[in-house]
Amino acid sequence: NAGVTQTPKFQVLKTGQSMTLQCAQDMNHEYMSWYRQDPGMGLRLIHYSVGAGITDQGEVPNGYNVSRSTTEDFPLRLLSAAPSQTSVYFCASSYSARGELFFGEGSRLTVL
Amino acid sequence: GQQVMQIPQYQHVQEGEDFTTYCNSSTTLSNIQWYKQRPGGHPVFLIQLVKSGEVKKQKRLTFQFGEAKKNSSLHITATQTTDVGTYFCAEPYNFNKFYFGSGTKLNVKP
Repeated sequence: NAGVTQTPKFQVLKTGQSMTLQCAQDMNHEYMSWYRQDPGMGLRLIHYSVGAGITDQGEVPNGYNVSRSTTEDFPLRLLSAAPSQTSVYFCASSYSARGELFFGEGSRLTVL
Repeated sequence: GQQVMQIPQYQHVQEGEDFTTYCNSSTTLSNIQWYKQRPGGHPVFLIQLVKSGEVKKQKRLTFQFGEAKKNSSLHITATQTTDVGTYFCAEPYNFNKFYFGSGTKLNVKP
């Protein structure tokens, strides 16, 4: 089992560019989420999904878009990148609403 | 929404010394989870505590959930260099929404 797979691992963008961070899981988990991690601030929830076709906002959703067309995939779109979005992004999945989170290896994004 | 406060932010210990990190909430928690993140890595689930006053052990790690379910702690006995990393508590507060503490970064000097 691959678990949760994120791509790309590293990305450099210019301000205003758009891009998509990919996330896929092979554990048949209904719940998936995206977090960003900034120094000294722990992990903050961006968006989450409780199943295919259902998404909702977390703590810091502005500037990000998500969709969930399949159980396996949960891409995160940056619409117009800003330097404030420089961060490490983690995708996570879980088998229940309050169960343990399985994280991907992370995507380090730098916006110049 | 609920948030958990985690202290200390950093802890530097000599190998063999003990280490403790604490999480506190102003409201009652349904459950609390603990994660470890190695430098450059991703968070990895350690344990979940659900019951009031619960104590769980994993080898040298002891996890406690307060009687009022408003605080939790992780204690490591006789630290080793393999314990290096950042330890996070996390509170699931609604559906699949989690609040994470800010983390305690542990450095162990050999």
